Amino acid sequence: SAVISQKPSRDICQRGTSLTIQCQVDSQVTMMFWYRQQPGQSLTLIATANQGSEATYESGFVIDKFPISRPNLTFSTLTVSNMSPEDSSIYLCSVGLGGRETQYFGPGTRLLVL
Amino acid sequence: AQTVTQSQPEMSVQEAETVTLSCTYDTSENNYYLFWYKQPPSRQMILVIRQEAYKQQNATENRFSVNFQKAAKSFSLKISDSQLGDTAMYFCAFMKYNTDKLIFGTGTRLQVFP
Repeated sequence: SAVISQKPSRDICQRGTSLTIQCQVDSQVTMMFWYRQQPGQSLTLIATANQGSEATYESGFVIDKFPISRPNLTFSTLTVSNMSPEDSSIYLCSVGLGGRETQYFGPGTRLLVL
Repeated sequence: AQTVTQSQPEMSVQEAETVTLSCTYDTSENNYYLFWYKQPPSRQMILVIRQEAYKQQNATENRFSVNFQKAAKSFSLKISDSQLGDTAMYFCAFMKYNTDKLIFGTGTRLQVFP
């Protein structure tokens, strides 16, 4: 497995503002993923971030709302833009290791939007 | 489209006993992977066990084992000798072969009582 860290671990934000979440891995990985877990719900994939190319977004998620950066093989950021209370969720990054089909998750960022 | 169903929102078991969590899925694919993830109150997603669909042998990891019935599209998780630290949400997940997208079930909340 890998050591995956996320910053911040939690935050409380005002509506209309933006928050950037960082994900750091202790080894180089090709694939990094961002998930959203709404309160009491399961996880939903937001996008896949590959180093050196644009992120690939899932249906229902757009780059203007969730811009993603992937500057190198150990780091990625997800920005939640123009936040509303509906964006209150846990945001998790994951990486593919041991073959692309096995994903390991970071500890998550708990976001509350007031 | 693939779907994953966990029909047990909550389960409870006494310490040292055995419990089985159910998961069914729907897919027309022949090659895929199945996973069980555990999410304790710390919200860290932890990979419990993984099964490749082409393997007939059920995966086992210490006290955790699966009953994979491909024809029935069933993938249950058995936890033997339950421990208090097993208390968590358990998510069943599906991944089509040669993709990176995990599709999660809605989760089963497991409570282990002393």
